[in-house]
Amino acid sequence: EAGVAQSPRYKIIEKRQSVAFWCNPISGHATLYWYQQILGQGPKLLIQFQNNGVVDDSQLPKDRFSAERLKGVDSTLKIQPAKLEDSAVYLCASSYYMDATDTQYFGPGTRLTVL
Amino acid sequence: AQKVTQAQTEISVVEKEDVTLDCVYETRDTTYYLFWYKQPPSGELVFLIRRNSFDEQNEISGRYSWNFQKSTSSFNFTITASQVVDSAVYFCALSDMEYGNKLVFGAGTILRVKS
Repeated sequence: EAGVAQSPRYKIIEKRQSVAFWCNPISGHATLYWYQQILGQGPKLLIQFQNNGVVDDSQLPKDRFSAERLKGVDSTLKIQPAKLEDSAVYLCASSYYMDATDTQYFGPGTRLTVL
Repeated sequence: AQKVTQAQTEISVVEKEDVTLDCVYETRDTTYYLFWYKQPPSGELVFLIRRNSFDEQNEISGRYSWNFQKSTSSFNFTITASQVVDSAVYFCALSDMEYGNKLVFGAGTILRVKS
């Protein structure tokens, strides 16, 4: 079974530029998550989708971050405009169900550097 | 509120030594789930174990073992006869029924195994 796919793996941009990340979850997984992991910290949830609907985006900086999952499968996360403090690894995860019993499986992440 | 504390920032051991990674959690819920993930240098978070709050039995999987003690709110992870390939960052995480399937991570423990 294929795991969670993410691209690109690395991205370097100047501040105030825009960037987009792509995620393809494990086949059949209805729930998709985007996390931000700043160096030296644990991942922090940005947004959670159930199929193509947003369940929780309370931690998403909506003035610059946006995310969508139009067909309930792939998802994109966008930052516009980027700030220096957005430098981090962006991890995508998926799970079959949306409850505390289910295990989230993570992709390899996208390492973003904002100069 | 949920909280996970991994007090050990970094541990260095010599190959074949045993090592224990500590995890202390806080939750108001009586039903919750604890997880351990491994993050090797490649960046992907690899799922290791999930344990629910009603199952306090210790678990062993090869060289890995986990000790869950509700009385001290701890879920510690031991690697027996460590190997260089065990070098990674290890994260403990918590999800509970009150907050759905939202994972709260500790800050992680860097494990360095030297040959």
